[in-house]
Amino acid sequence: AQKVTQAQTEISVVEKEDVTLDCVYETRDTTYYLFWYKQPPSGELVFLIRRNSFDEQNEISGRYSWNFQKSTSSFNFTITASQVVDSAVYFCALKEEFQGAQKLVFGQGTRLTINP
Amino acid sequence: EAGVAQSPRYKIIEKRQSVAFWCNPISGHATLYWYQQILGQGPKLLIQFQNNGVVDDSQLPKDRFSAERLKGVDSTLKIQPAKLEDSAVYLCASSLEPGGDEKLFFGSGTQLSVL
Repeated sequence: AQKVTQAQTEISVVEKEDVTLDCVYETRDTTYYLFWYKQPPSGELVFLIRRNSFDEQNEISGRYSWNFQKSTSSFNFTITASQVVDSAVYFCALKEEFQGAQKLVFGQGTRLTINP
Repeated sequence: EAGVAQSPRYKIIEKRQSVAFWCNPISGHATLYWYQQILGQGPKLLIQFQNNGVVDDSQLPKDRFSAERLKGVDSTLKIQPAKLEDSAVYLCASSLEPGGDEKLFFGSGTQLSVL
């Protein structure tokens, strides 16, 4: 069963617009970790944020903010005042224990295009 | 600090040929991962090493894929024989420890095309 769902395959907005990328996850663990990674055209995944299941505080880092809601199993990512450099594929990921190992499972990704 | 190094960057082979990818993780990182990323999909874990031991290889197609990390540092992933469906980007990642909140550092990947 798919553990991380990013329903938006592609999003295209004009520069300076705000945009929210959705992420819904599924887990039976009470302890788990959520991540967002950015994959620019160069191909290298870049870590953006991690959240553990006990910390539901929203986080803001510059133009980026994250909304974690356990009640809806969602971990959404908002970019405020988007810029062309934000264009990339963004992945939400869930890390949980599986057969004694910590396993990181990625969603399908959302391709974000910011047009000038 | 040097990042995760991977080579080659691109590889084109014909089906039934063999191919090998190399990865050198960040110095001091005990955990190394190989992911397969098919176009339009998220990365899928193939194998995870803790030092030179295998922690998880449940999704590695063992009839054709093999991986090793002999001295607990760099690693090689091999495909023999390759199939058309193996066309993908193979990403190597490393982390300091395998703990739950440890973030992964990724290399730029090897893009494999099987013709």
